[in-house]
Amino acid sequence: GAGVSQSPRYKVAKRGQDVALRCDPISGHVSLFWYQQALGQGPEFLTYFQNEAQLDKSGLPSDRFFAERPEGSVSTLKIQRTQQEDSAVYLCASTSGRTTVMNTEAFFGQGTRLTVV
Amino acid sequence: ELKVEQNPLFLSMQEGKNYTIYCNYSTTSDRLYWYRQDPGKSLESLFVLLSNGAVKQEGRLMASLDTKARLSTLHITAAVHDLSATYFCAGGDYNNNDMRFGAGTRLTVKP
Repeated sequence: GAGVSQSPRYKVAKRGQDVALRCDPISGHVSLFWYQQALGQGPEFLTYFQNEAQLDKSGLPSDRFFAERPEGSVSTLKIQRTQQEDSAVYLCASTSGRTTVMNTEAFFGQGTRLTVV
Repeated sequence: ELKVEQNPLFLSMQEGKNYTIYCNYSTTSDRLYWYRQDPGKSLESLFVLLSNGAVKQEGRLMASLDTKARLSTLHITAAVHDLSATYFCAGGDYNNNDMRFGAGTRLTVKP
């Protein structure tokens, strides 16, 4: 595609509900990143994929957060039993390089704004 | 762990004035990125600075990198209203596959 696409753009979840956020990276991009951006803050790293392999998940805040990229393209970030503190914008970024994001420019999607009520 | 600090966090400028946003980082990082974010929008890449002394300019924005001082600056020349946005710098950590962001500088340019 022309850019990184995320869906849904907005999601309201009741506390305790499970949610799934989707990211379609730029076609052919090897690396994919998820970030969490709280209101008024900078993006915080969650996890990183190179193709289908999840190479770093050190930023996931709890075991309620799970990400996958089974075929090396589309990725899903799942949050189980959502809590109010999970409310944030979740950003996805992709790069063409096989190395870290720092070696190539990262393109960000529009984000999914999650509100847990 | 790499830490990135920006200042100021909030900046209100008059059109036509100049100002500089500062970005300090805590450990070695040989790549420094500047992004712009408009309300409700994603991050737009502005500059990628790859080496000590690098300077890049685009329109009224100029970014520089001093790796010895672990400092990057984003200079705004003759500000216009269209520059109102939040600006983020981000540095890289050799050991991690992530990009560490500063808290952002919310810039408002007033007529």
